[in-house]
Amino acid sequence: DTGVSQNPRHKITKRGQNVTFRCDPISEHNRLYWYRQTLGQGPEFLTYFQNEAQLEKSRLLSDRFSAERPKGSFSTLEIQRTEQGDSAMYLCASSDKTGDYEQYFGPGTRLTVT
Amino acid sequence: AQSVTQPDIHITVSEGASLELRCNYSYGATPYLFWYVQSPGQGLQLLLKYFSGDTLVQGIKGFEAEFKRSQSSFNLRKPSVHWSDAAEYFCAVDNFNKFYFGSGTKLNVKP
Repeated sequence: DTGVSQNPRHKITKRGQNVTFRCDPISEHNRLYWYRQTLGQGPEFLTYFQNEAQLEKSRLLSDRFSAERPKGSFSTLEIQRTEQGDSAMYLCASSDKTGDYEQYFGPGTRLTVT
Repeated sequence: AQSVTQPDIHITVSEGASLELRCNYSYGATPYLFWYVQSPGQGLQLLLKYFSGDTLVQGIKGFEAEFKRSQSSFNLRKPSVHWSDAAEYFCAVDNFNKFYFGSGTKLNVKP
């Protein structure tokens, strides 16, 4: 068990470009969550999956944000037409029922939009 | 509005002193409650959680928290702080699979 991994760890992009982040959960964890954390704030919940089903996405920040988990394993978070306000740390977490759905967090992807 | 409030942005305590970090939430029902710690450059780590039952819950690293329904509070405590406890602490709630974090309390520990 190597924990939750996220790639890339850092991403610098120009405004208007699209970016995609990847999250690999702990193996066999059936739930996967995405959060955004800006400086001085707590994580802000965006969306979560149970297996490949996206069960909550009302908190995605705009229609520029989308997430997928096509085979119920890794997940991707895409931001289209990035804006400077999208600069933040994007966190992924995973959980499963055997652990009372305790969320294990990855190290995050830091996005800087110039 | 639904919210999680951590009223103390920064707290400084001396090593060996006791610690209490405050957390209040505003939801209609009792949500699941959590405390996480985030050290610089580290991921969030769960300290403890409350789902139901005994309102005093024990966690890792000597931390405990008490749920008080009447006050909608879930304060984190530690009887004797160690220098390694310096970090940022977040209170969080799971309200029917919608997750909310407070804005965090940064803890500094004086030698």
